Amino acid sequence: GAVVSQHPSWVICKSGTSVKIECRSLDFQATTMFWYRQFPKKSLMLMATSNEGSKATYEQGVEKDKFLINHASLTLSTLTVTSAHPEDSSFYICSSAGGSNHEQFFGPGTRLTVL
Amino acid sequence: QKEVEQNSGPLSVPEGAIASLNCTYSDRGSQSFFWYRQYSGKSPELIMSIYSNGDKEDGRFTAQLNKASQYVSLLIRDSQPSDSATYLCASTRGGSEKLVFGKGTKLTVNP
Repeated sequence: GAVVSQHPSWVICKSGTSVKIECRSLDFQATTMFWYRQFPKKSLMLMATSNEGSKATYEQGVEKDKFLINHASLTLSTLTVTSAHPEDSSFYICSSAGGSNHEQFFGPGTRLTVL
Repeated sequence: QKEVEQNSGPLSVPEGAIASLNCTYSDRGSQSFFWYRQYSGKSPELIMSIYSNGDKEDGRFTAQLNKASQYVSLLIRDSQPSDSATYLCASTRGGSEKLVFGKGTKLTVNP
């Protein structure tokens, strides 16, 4: 399957700061990437669909001005959590969609802790 | 009504046994179905995909799809303690690349 990397793997920040998370598709060009959030013992929640060269599509209830997504190239999508607050602490995971069968391959995730 | 439903478990089986994980879905337009394994604190890993009715085998894993019953299952033969994880069932919404996930079934394989 496709190889997806994320950076950083974990981050601790103060409330009010912004955090950028990078997601890279290492072995194929991904026109579509997805961003998920997962709280402890909960299932994955899709936040947004990131499309190369166009605006991201956000799921209902996800604030687009708080979670900024940029997909400037076929191998890189970034998620910026702006003015982070403790309730934003979560496990953020990206995935890339490859081929015609809609398989998604996940990055290793980024654990964000906001103090 | 939840779009993808799984028995949350926990499911506990002895080492060497067959573990059976089940999933139902509500969207008849779903075309693609996936099983992901997620270890605690890690991201999901794709282990099986299935697109047509019947069985698909890959090593110790067999996925079964019955579109008429809107039912997907995963069998793990000769279960090992390393198979202990949460297994997520997912399907695509008709015509979309988006995945809809079930809440997952936690499997424990006891040595």
